[in-house]
Amino acid sequence: DQQVKQNSPSLSVQEGRISILNCDYTNSMFDYFLWYKKYPAEGPTFLISISSIKDKNEDGRFTVFLNKSAKHLSLHIVPSQPGDSAVYFCAAGVERSQGNLIFGKGTKLSVKP
Amino acid sequence: EAGVTQFPSHSVIEKGQTVTLRCDPISGHDNLYWYRRVMGKEIKFLLHFVKESKQDESGMPNNRFLAERTGGTYSTLKVQPAELEDSGVYFCASSHLAMYNSYNEQFFGPGTRLTVL
Repeated sequence: DQQVKQNSPSLSVQEGRISILNCDYTNSMFDYFLWYKKYPAEGPTFLISISSIKDKNEDGRFTVFLNKSAKHLSLHIVPSQPGDSAVYFCAAGVERSQGNLIFGKGTKLSVKP
Repeated sequence: EAGVTQFPSHSVIEKGQTVTLRCDPISGHDNLYWYRRVMGKEIKFLLHFVKESKQDESGMPNNRFLAERTGGTYSTLKVQPAELEDSGVYFCASSHLAMYNSYNEQFFGPGTRLTVL
């Protein structure tokens, strides 16, 4: 059973508009969440993270929101640019263990000019 | 600073053959992880080294997979004998050891695409 779920396999957004990518998790032990971006034939690239003690983290055009009660997080990209077109993976982990990350299946974002 | 490198980038082998994948982590990173992505599904954890020690190998599919990290530097992942379902992209990632109750981001390599025919 998947512990990290990205229910939208794809998302298409117009350049300049907001992109919102969603992620749900089931394991209450997770206390650290990350978003990775992946281009074809490349490895995932770290984008932004958030600890469970926060509900928001912002880095430039990227903001991650965490709703612990709903076990839901989202990544907002504003404004979206064509270069943002990629597959975005949500991942979760347990801080103390420094161990493995549990990934969602990814959402393919297409930003159209 | 060089990133995580993996070799080869692609490997095509026949069922029953042996393949060895190599990962060179970022210099100074004590944590090294192997992951696998099969058929466009989620990226799944295989195992975690801290320096040369296996910290967690709960994700290894079966005993046909053997990972080593001699000297705590580069790591190899051997599949012997390979089966059709082993096809996928194998990613390696590394990170610094973090202080207690903190988390260091994992940096991924470009992956090795393994095709078993």
